Amino acid sequence: QKEVEQNSGPLSVPEGAIASLNCTYSDRGSQSFFWYRQYSGKSPELIMSIYSNGDKEDGRFTAQLNKASQYVSLLIRDSQPSDSATYLCAVTRGSQGNLIFGKGTKLSVKP
Amino acid sequence: GAVVSQHPSRVICKSGTSVKIECRSLDFQATTMFWYRQFPKQSLMLMATSNEGSKATYEQGVEKDKFLINHASLTLSTLTVTSAHPEDSSFYICSASRTLAALGDYNEQFFGPGTRLTVL
Repeated sequence: QKEVEQNSGPLSVPEGAIASLNCTYSDRGSQSFFWYRQYSGKSPELIMSIYSNGDKEDGRFTAQLNKASQYVSLLIRDSQPSDSATYLCAVTRGSQGNLIFGKGTKLSVKP
Repeated sequence: GAVVSQHPSRVICKSGTSVKIECRSLDFQATTMFWYRQFPKQSLMLMATSNEGSKATYEQGVEKDKFLINHASLTLSTLTVTSAHPEDSSFYICSASRTLAALGDYNEQFFGPGTRLTVL
């Protein structure tokens, strides 16, 4: 079983819609959860971090964490073409461990 | 925000030469710095983890004598690709870890813009 799993996509949504990205992880000891956005040919950019169960909102982005289900998601409201990128889910074992990345979900927002 | 810089952004070199890449955390002191490599259309691969003043920890399969890492200060880490060959051509990305004091000892990692290495 892969440590961090994401649907590779591509996930295609129309402009203005909600994009829902999902991620599951296998290590119950994971304590820190992150979403990174990576544009083609660029390095990853941290867009959300979440450490406790529930929702965390930042602008158009909402991260949701459910440790019992070992599930973390990212919702992007009012999706824009500029949101088109690969979204990487990452977790760490403990509070300071190395990032374990999923393979990423490619999101395409159509105008 | 937390800013991490990398220099150079792009390198083209001949086979057999050594290439040095610098990674700096500009507005925070990094507890730990990481070096990744990414081949086209593939996932990020962690190469090594480095802490200031100590030897880097390399991931399995990464040759420590080929990829030399020096972590001179809390804001600077360097990766030297020694005797580079065409198969070393890749996108090298560093990241720096910042402790979130408000949350106890949780860390966040911020990535540099990457260095694209092409070995001819």
